[in-house]
Amino acid sequence: EAQVTQNPRYLITVTGKKLTVTCSQNMNHEYMSWYRQDPGLGLRQIYYSMNVEVTDKGDVPEGYKVSRKEKRNFPLILESPSPNQTSLYFCASSLARDEQYFGPGTRLTVT
Amino acid sequence: AQSVAQPEDQVNVAEGNPLTVKCTYSVSGNPYLFWYVQYPNRGLQFLLKYITGDNLVKGSYGFEAEFNKSQTSFHLKKPSALVSDSALYFCAVRLVSSNTGKLIFGQGTTLQVKP
Repeated sequence: EAQVTQNPRYLITVTGKKLTVTCSQNMNHEYMSWYRQDPGLGLRQIYYSMNVEVTDKGDVPEGYKVSRKEKRNFPLILESPSPNQTSLYFCASSLARDEQYFGPGTRLTVT
Repeated sequence: AQSVAQPEDQVNVAEGNPLTVKCTYSVSGNPYLFWYVQYPNRGLQFLLKYITGDNLVKGSYGFEAEFNKSQTSFHLKKPSALVSDSALYFCAVRLVSSNTGKLIFGQGTTLQVKP
């Protein structure tokens, strides 16, 4: 089954404790993105990747890192999480100009 | 700046009635346009897209949308609403000229269909 998977689905952590949210897709898509969803703001792009070893900042990259060492994986790293990073995070993938496929989301709470 | 607007936070319709969820966009080039739906505790699901050609596009679950270039709109429609259509709907745009795959989303519209 074609899908985008994210782990964990829920995470509660404390300020400053490094964390990684994994994302994997099995559709051989070149493009992958991370978005955060906040009430009243829709989804905003954090980082994107056009292929292996090619990543760039989206609209809200501060406090986040990503890597793309393999085509299928695109982890999101929060080196020192802060409460303003409490949000719902989505990973997505697509072919060049097609619709994006979204993962189920990761709800992160930073206390 | 590129932007997408969904002017209604919530749309309420009775089951069996037609529904419209509005979307307008402001971009500097030609757009690809998308509608996504989000059910509670779920990721976003693709509904339909406009790339080129016929201004009326049909998608999943009986939804359709009309691209209007002069009004820069892409309203989502369905002739007869179902209670199960109740969800959060997002309009999104991507520039034809963009090679980043980035989608610009509206803020979302909650559709409530009452029995």
